[in-house]
Amino acid sequence: KAGVTQTPRYLIKTRGQQVTLSCSPISGHRSVSWYQQTPGQGLQFLFEYFSETQRNKGNFPGRFSGRQFSNSRSEMNVSTLELGDSALYLCASSHADRASPLHFGNGTRLTVT
Amino acid sequence: AQSVSQHNHHVILSEAASLELGCNYSYGGTVNLFWYVQYPGQHLQLLLKYFSGDPLVKGIKGFEAEFIKSKFSFNLRKPSVQWSDTAEYFCAVNRISNFGNEKLTFGTGTRLTIIP
Repeated sequence: KAGVTQTPRYLIKTRGQQVTLSCSPISGHRSVSWYQQTPGQGLQFLFEYFSETQRNKGNFPGRFSGRQFSNSRSEMNVSTLELGDSALYLCASSHADRASPLHFGNGTRLTVT
Repeated sequence: AQSVSQHNHHVILSEAASLELGCNYSYGGTVNLFWYVQYPGQHLQLLLKYFSGDPLVKGIKGFEAEFIKSKFSFNLRKPSVQWSDTAEYFCAVNRISNFGNEKLTFGTGTRLTIIP
């Protein structure tokens, strides 16, 4: 069974640009969550999607948005990039029940210059 | 706001030493508890989980954790560590509310370095 796939693995952008990250969940998983990982901050929850609907949202500005498609694939978009957005962005999928463990992808390393 | 605290940011041990990593959470009620591990260059993966029942849970690779409700703690233990346990360890908690399980909140992680 294929794991969670995130593309691209690495991105370098400049301030003010926008970026779109992609996540393909494990087959059969309908919930997709996004996290931002930075040294010292750990994993900060961005949002969770289930059946194309945002089920929960973290405390990030509106520049961060996401969506989920009918095949459960998800995209995350960050507009007007800032230097502080440099981080590892992780996607995780799980079954519908939130008691199910998350399965993480390898992440997308975003560097903003 | 709910929070998860991991007070040990970096732990350095010699092989065969015993390990205990602390995890405390800030909210009451019924919770699900998890420990995830991130080995160098690899993705995060589940080490063990507690939903209900026996508060002492066993996970992969000889790890175990004990849920102590009165202390809001879920500490991770291993009696004898190996060099291959070098990794970053994350505690995570989600609360079970009347509306279902809430989002998973992670601690800031503990970096474990094992010296051969």
